[in-house]
Amino acid sequence: DAGVIQSPRHEVTEMGQEVTLRCKPISGHDYLFWYRQTMMRGLELLIYFNNNVPIDDSGMPEDRFSAKMPNASFSTLKIQPSEPRDSAVYFCASSLTGGAFGYTFGSGTRLTVV
Amino acid sequence: QKEVEQDPGPLSVPEGAIVSLNCTYSNSAFQYFMWYRQYSRKGPELLMYTYSSGNKEDGRFTAQVDKSSKYISLFIRDSQPSDSATYLCAMSAKAGGTSYGKLTFGQGTILTVHP
Repeated sequence: DAGVIQSPRHEVTEMGQEVTLRCKPISGHDYLFWYRQTMMRGLELLIYFNNNVPIDDSGMPEDRFSAKMPNASFSTLKIQPSEPRDSAVYFCASSLTGGAFGYTFGSGTRLTVV
Repeated sequence: QKEVEQDPGPLSVPEGAIVSLNCTYSNSAFQYFMWYRQYSRKGPELLMYTYSSGNKEDGRFTAQVDKSSKYISLFIRDSQPSDSATYLCAMSAKAGGTSYGKLTFGQGTILTVHP
């Protein structure tokens, strides 16, 4: 099993540009989570899906952020327009049982907005 | 007040020391407790998982849960330089709750074990 696959690994973009982060969960996992990690705020849950349906998006910072899961094997997190304060590491994780027995995380996308 | 509080450290110990990492929480709905380890520039990886109050041992690692005090701990015996990482506690509500699907993480404690 290749694990949770995220792309790109690094992204540097200019303020105002659109950024799209991608995630392929582990096959068979029916939960998918997007987290953001910064030194100041730690790991913050942005949104999670169960069976491709968004369940809780209360962590999405503002309307500039959107997430989709068109099928069980793919999800995107989009930021439009991007701002320097969006600079962070974005993690995707997947799970078979929700939060009860932990998730498997991807390697993350390090986003820098200049 | 955050739902999960964790001392960010940093914590620096000599090789062979016993390390104690701790978290407190306020949400009594939390029933599942985990510890993750995160190496620099990597994603968190699940280290230990516990459900009930008490101790769970796995090699050099022991996870302890005290639900009455809303307090969890991770002990590392005979610490090694390879244990140097950030350790995050994480918790989830019991099945059926509205927050069942998600984990809430502590801030993480940075640990350095020097030779």
